[in-house]
Amino acid sequence: AQRVTQPEKLLSVFKGAPVELKCNYSYSGSPELFWYVQYSRQRLQLLLRHISRESIKGFTADLNKGETSFHLKKPFAQEEDSAMYYCASGGSQGNLIFGKGTKLSVKP
Amino acid sequence: NAGVTQTPKFQVLKTGQSMTLQCAQDMNHEYMSWYRQDPGMGLRLIHYSVGAGITDQGEVPNGYNVSRSTTEDFPLRLLSAAPSQTSVYFCASSYGGRDNQPQHFGDGTRLSIL
Repeated sequence: AQRVTQPEKLLSVFKGAPVELKCNYSYSGSPELFWYVQYSRQRLQLLLRHISRESIKGFTADLNKGETSFHLKKPFAQEEDSAMYYCASGGSQGNLIFGKGTKLSVKP
Repeated sequence: NAGVTQTPKFQVLKTGQSMTLQCAQDMNHEYMSWYRQDPGMGLRLIHYSVGAGITDQGEVPNGYNVSRSTTEDFPLRLLSAAPSQTSVYFCASSYGGRDNQPQHFGDGTRLSIL
């Protein structure tokens, strides 16, 4: 079965430090991968989609098929980046398969 | 353009009560789904629909029913609420199909079962 793993429940960094949120997936084909962000008590918002190769709010994510990873990176974290981040893989029925999420805390 | 609208935002129920969580979208999306979000569990798919009149079970369907009589609406019913159903429920919609279009989420319904 498809699975998305986010090994870190909590990641705490200082403002201005680089941040990397890890995501690994299990899927033998060409996965559709996403990063969603949820600010405190708000709805989930799409942050990145791997096929669009965009940079949103300074975040980037590269698909590494060899390592089956889709880590989210930002060179300089900001306090407003504090949120819950979910990595997700497109499922076979059009659904999303989510990792358990990583809470990013950016300290001043 | 309201996007995905969920009502109510908060609800407290007693064990055994029934209720319906409403979800509506105005984007003419074919695909709609319900997830529950629990601490340390991420989001898990409850039920989904690929179009009006078509529904199917997700990962955690037990205790929930859905129907899709129109493209716009996708209500989630709890027939006999249990404390284990205390959670935050999110409805989502997308253009659908098997190419996994990005999903648009509602604001969520925070449900507590006493």
